[in-house]
Amino acid sequence: SAVISQKPSRDICQRGTSLTIQCQVDSQVTMMFWYRQQPGQSLTLIATANQGSEATYESGFVIDKFPISRPNLTFSTLTVSNMSPEDSSIYLCSVSAGGPTGELFFGEGSRLTVL
Amino acid sequence: GENVEQHPSTLSVQEGDSAVIKCTYSDSASNYFPWYKQELGKGPQLIIDIRSNVGEKKDQRIAVTLNKTAKHFSLHITETQPEDSAVYFCAASRGSSASKIIFGSGTRLSIRP
Repeated sequence: SAVISQKPSRDICQRGTSLTIQCQVDSQVTMMFWYRQQPGQSLTLIATANQGSEATYESGFVIDKFPISRPNLTFSTLTVSNMSPEDSSIYLCSVSAGGPTGELFFGEGSRLTVL
Repeated sequence: GENVEQHPSTLSVQEGDSAVIKCTYSDSASNYFPWYKQELGKGPQLIIDIRSNVGEKKDQRIAVTLNKTAKHFSLHITETQPEDSAVYFCAASRGSSASKIIFGSGTRLSIRP
């Protein structure tokens, strides 16, 4: 298993500002992911955070809006840039157990409200 | 690409009764089907999963069934308890690559005392 800590747990932000979310894992992991969960909705993969290289973004998400850093195998950050009310969501960091199980472990999420 | 549909969106059952949540998927190559439980204010947590070479899997009060021909799978919770109240997500993926897991829309399960 993996224990994932996210900061901040929640924040209220002003339109046009940017916020960086941090994700710390208690063990080294190869694959880290960032998900968005809009109010009452399912989980949508934003990107895969690759250690030592640029993140891999899913369709509909771009680096300018969601820059991601992955400086080592236990830490990643997601920045939500130039926020608008539509960015109000829960952002979840996730890691894979790897191997044949493919189990995902999730942090408790960062709930952002943009005014 | 893969599309996962989940029903119902909300479900209320009497404590002690059974609850069933159903999902369908579109990609016949999908072979890994996990179920996640998300309690209020927390991240999702894997509760059970099944692979395409198995038709049914059980873990205490929780069971999952898979019908590959019809491309649907279901979660069954028996003898429901108040702590079962949560949002449940089904998911499907091709292979074990976590980056390609597609989630259903979620079911909010409420257990009535």
